[in-house]
Amino acid sequence: NAGVTQTPKFRVLKTGQSMTLLCAQDMNHEYMYWYRQDPGMGLRLIHYSVGEGTTAKGEVPDGYNVSRLKKQNFLLGLESAAPSQTSVYFCASSARTPGAFFGPGTRLTVL
Amino acid sequence: DAKTTQPNSMESNEEEPVHLPCNHSTISGTDYIHWYRQLPSQGPEYVIHGLTSNVNNRMASLAIAEDRKSSTLILHRATLRDAAVYYCIRRNAGGTSYGKLTFGQGTILTVHP
Repeated sequence: NAGVTQTPKFRVLKTGQSMTLLCAQDMNHEYMYWYRQDPGMGLRLIHYSVGEGTTAKGEVPDGYNVSRLKKQNFLLGLESAAPSQTSVYFCASSARTPGAFFGPGTRLTVL
Repeated sequence: DAKTTQPNSMESNEEEPVHLPCNHSTISGTDYIHWYRQLPSQGPEYVIHGLTSNVNNRMASLAIAEDRKSSTLILHRATLRDAAVYYCIRRNAGGTSYGKLTFGQGTILTVHP
């Protein structure tokens, strides 16, 4: 039981490049979330999903797209990376009411 | 959106109890109260959650006011490993935003030896 895993752990991009972050969970959770955390700040919700095939916008969705084609995976895409997207990205999953489990994070730097 | 208010920081001494307050005056009847903590350089970790009744688990206790407009996370004996940022969150369990989990700024807890 691996819990929530994130791929990759680190990435450096140039401005304008694209990339996809993968979040996978093996707990059969319905809900999945993508957050970003800038240095010294709290977590901000980017997008979330309440089930396979569904996604919804969070607090800071601009510049990101997501997909939930399989229940266990939640992908976060950056189509044209900008320096303002330099951050640590956390994925989480949960069942309906209990607490959420978080992944270890992906540290992204955009030059 | 689901908002909570917490003090920016609190301090405690090791082995003393810690009471971390949270205000959620506009909470709806279907919102759960969740607490998470984040240790330095790690992802958030679930601590406890509740709806109306007080809750206990191996990590902490959660005391919920009768009107549900506030709650308190209780660490019975603080250790140095409890130094972290503690987040109080209202989790939508119904309505158009059900499942949404939004974090605020949290309370930075410092534990002194």
